[in-house]
Amino acid sequence: TQLLEQSPQFLSIQEGENLTVYCNSSSVFSSLQWYRQEPGEGPVLLVTVVTGGEVKKLKRLTFQFGDARKDSSLHITAAQPGDTGLYLCAGAMETSGSRLTFGEGTQLTVNP
Amino acid sequence: DTGVSQDPRHKITKRGQNVTFRCDPISEHNRLYWYRQTLGQGPEFLTYFQNEAQLEKSRLLSDRFSAERPKGSFSTLEIQRTEQGDSAMYLCASSSDRGATGELFFGEGSRLTVL
Repeated sequence: TQLLEQSPQFLSIQEGENLTVYCNSSSVFSSLQWYRQEPGEGPVLLVTVVTGGEVKKLKRLTFQFGDARKDSSLHITAAQPGDTGLYLCAGAMETSGSRLTFGEGTQLTVNP
Repeated sequence: DTGVSQDPRHKITKRGQNVTFRCDPISEHNRLYWYRQTLGQGPEFLTYFQNEAQLEKSRLLSDRFSAERPKGSFSTLEIQRTEQGDSAMYLCASSSDRGATGELFFGEGSRLTVL
């Protein structure tokens, strides 16, 4: 059983469209991160959310942490081909120390 | 470049051979992690060091796998008697305990192919 469920697994859209990626769990996280990974490279941190209900914006990306700190979403406005990549959510639990648990990822393809 | 560096980037080996990967973390980071990632999946935790102490090991880390961080700086991950199922990207990450909770800085990974 995957601790963090991401949906959708695959998303192919046209440039200029909006999209939302979801990260859900039955567990409570002390913090949650979103990473973006390109083929052959390691994941790169986009944002960390810590407080339930927190919303963070990074240019066209909006991240939200659920009130109960069990879920999160990533919304991209006016997607561009450069947004193509594997988006990973990762959670830290108070009982797991420094270990991050990753979701399976959402592969986003933005077509020009 | 002061990021996390991994070597080699690619390794092709025959089944049964031993392989070793090296990771040099960001110099001021005292925490170092190894993860494994297969195609289309998220990274899976393998092990974690704080300074030179190996504090946690996943059940995924069979007795053929060993990791060390002898001086609390660079780390090595050795796989003995490799199997085809070991083929994956091995990712190293580091973090500082003074940073925000759980933020990891990843290297570019070492891709292992076992023939």
